[in-house]
Amino acid sequence: SQQGEEDPQALSIQEGENATMNCSYKTSINNLQWYRQNSGRGLVHLILIRSNEREKHSGRLRVTLDTSKKSSSLLITASRAADTASYFCATDPTGANNLFFGTGTRLTVIP
Amino acid sequence: KAGVTQTPRYLIKTRGQQVTLSCSPISGHRSVSWYQQTPGQGLQFLFEYFSETQRNKGNFPGRFSGRQFSNSRSEMNVSTLELGDSALYLCASSHAGEFGYTFGSGTRLTVV
Repeated sequence: SQQGEEDPQALSIQEGENATMNCSYKTSINNLQWYRQNSGRGLVHLILIRSNEREKHSGRLRVTLDTSKKSSSLLITASRAADTASYFCATDPTGANNLFFGTGTRLTVIP
Repeated sequence: KAGVTQTPRYLIKTRGQQVTLSCSPISGHRSVSWYQQTPGQGLQFLFEYFSETQRNKGNFPGRFSGRQFSNSRSEMNVSTLELGDSALYLCASSHAGEFGYTFGSGTRLTVV
């Protein structure tokens, strides 16, 4: 299976704190993407990082990618209660034209 | 700009029946992918269509099929439903996949 794994499976923090989620994958990739899902609804695209990039920022989000270790991390700074959701990493293997999702991290931000 | 629209939102079917789910992508997006999400298996890729051609298929039995029309709208069909087919089915569209995918809200299928 090409499915990635995320760590931790669940994370609970206080509002205002930072949240870090990690993702490991198995194959070479074209890019890696992070998505958010609220309560079993559709996925919302957060950020995409290409295989030749090492770090990317978008608002309160910071993503890093280490292709030598086949791993990525998502940092959410100054978390808010509205950030409570499940977060998934997804890899786009070269030429595969589909996404392989990680197992997800359930983030709870306590007001 | 309208998002990805999936219909119906909820569906209850009986074992052995068949079901058709519909997905209307964002205007201009020619790639449509389908995913199945279950608590046990997580998010799994079903298939991807581009300009009416299936370019990729996941590891699902032949009971799962799909198609894409000339207007990029897509349908997926599941025949001879099994209890294990109960899941959230998500459709995603993209312009070229290089900029991320936009997902619909999904169709929650329950097989009883």
